Amino acid sequence: DAGITQSPRYKITETGRQVTLMCHQTWSHSYMFWYRQDLGHGLRLIYYSAAADITDKGEVPDGYVVSRSKTENFPLTLESATRSQTSVYFCASRLGLGAYEQYFGPGTRLTVT
Amino acid sequence: EDKVVQSPLSLVVHEGDTVTLNCSYEVTNFRSLLWYKQEKKAPTFLFMLTSSGIEKKSGRLSSILDKKELFSILNITATQTGDSAIYLCAVDRGSTLGRLYFGRGTQLTVWP
Repeated sequence: DAGITQSPRYKITETGRQVTLMCHQTWSHSYMFWYRQDLGHGLRLIYYSAAADITDKGEVPDGYVVSRSKTENFPLTLESATRSQTSVYFCASRLGLGAYEQYFGPGTRLTVT
Repeated sequence: EDKVVQSPLSLVVHEGDTVTLNCSYEVTNFRSLLWYKQEKKAPTFLFMLTSSGIEKKSGRLSSILDKKELFSILNITATQTGDSAIYLCAVDRGSTLGRLYFGRGTQLTVWP
């Protein structure tokens, strides 16, 4: 039972490059989320999705793009990476609304040089 | 604007101490409040609270919600070094896309 996985776990890239962070869940959860976590800011929501082809912006969406063509995958793309996007990125999923908690993936540590 | 505020932001205690972490919220259409523990990895779920006055308990950890005063507390008794972590509070306001609103967290450090 793999649950929710992220790849890569660590990534170093250069300013201006496009980077895609992958998220995959095996539970068939409807809801998926992308967060970034930075010192002093806590967890901030980037994008979220209620189902395949339904996505919405969170608090800090600028510079990021998401897609959800399949329920189990929710990739996050940095179109042109900037140093300010250096962060730890967490993907999360949730079965449904109501009495369901959110489960987090192991995170991707991204460094933009 | 929806808000979830945790206090204190950081706390240092010695093993054996009891700690109380606070989470206050101002959100519309409150549905539930969740507590997570984050060590040097992804957050892991601790409790979900939906009703006022009903304590949730797991070992040395317990939590309660006050929907009238809009806050929750997380208590940890007889702290151990393994309790050192960031404790996150999140609120579900019943939005259609299932998102949670997180506070900034309380960094708890337990010294031996």
